Amino acid sequence: DAGITQSPRYKITETGRQVTLMCHQTWSHSYMFWYRQDLGHGLRLIYYSAAADITDKGEVPDGYVVSRSKTENFPLTLESATRSQTSVYFCASSVVTSVEKQYFGPGTRLTVT
Amino acid sequence: GNSVTQMEGPVTLSEEAFLTINCTYTATGYPSLFWYVQYPGEGLQLLLKATKADDKGSNKGFEATYRKETTSFHLEKGSVQVSDSAVYFCALSRDDKIIFGKGTRLHILP
Repeated sequence: DAGITQSPRYKITETGRQVTLMCHQTWSHSYMFWYRQDLGHGLRLIYYSAAADITDKGEVPDGYVVSRSKTENFPLTLESATRSQTSVYFCASSVVTSVEKQYFGPGTRLTVT
Repeated sequence: GNSVTQMEGPVTLSEEAFLTINCTYTATGYPSLFWYVQYPGEGLQLLLKATKADDKGSNKGFEATYRKETTSFHLEKGSVQVSDSAVYFCALSRDDKIIFGKGTRLHILP
C-alpha cells in the first residue's frame, strides 16, 4: 500500500545499544521529518530532510543521527540509547515545506531499559 | 519565543455533550494555527487550520476561530461522539516551523 510506514512499531532495547528506526514513504515526497512525542511535551522535531543527502537539525537532535541516501527512506539512529530516549517516534513526509501538508506515520514506541 | 499552551486532560464527556478544548499561543507576527487529532495507535492527522485573524477552521463538526486579540484558538464541537475519543494537539506554524502543544486526551462515554 502507498503511504508512510515505520518499522519496527515497538522496540525494547538496553541502555548503550545502538538502535535504528526506519521510515519509508511511497509518495516521493521531498521533505521528511522525525519527531518524538513525550508526555507533557507534545511533539518535538528531532531532524528533518529537504531532499536526499540534505538533512538538518530540529529542536532536540542530541543523541540522534540521520541519513537520507534515498528519497523514500529516512532512518533515525540512536547511537547509544539512553533511558531519556524512551518515547514514541513519529516520521512524517511532505511535498512542500508547508507544515500542514505533512503526513504522519503510525509511530514507533521505543523503550530503553 | 513561540509557544502553545492547551488545557490539560484528560477530558471526559458523555456522548452528545458540548466540547471545548482551550488553546492559547505566544508568537511574533502572524502564525498559522492548527488542530491535529491522534486516534489510538495512529499518527497525527490535520483536523483544521486557520491562517489569519478571525478565520474559522472547521472539519468533521469541529470548529476553531483564530482570535488575535486573545491569542486563542479554542476547539469546539456541539455534540461529541464516542468516535471522537482521541488526543488533540493545538499547534502553530511560523517560518515553516511547527510548534505543538502538549496534547489533550479526550474520552467520550456512551
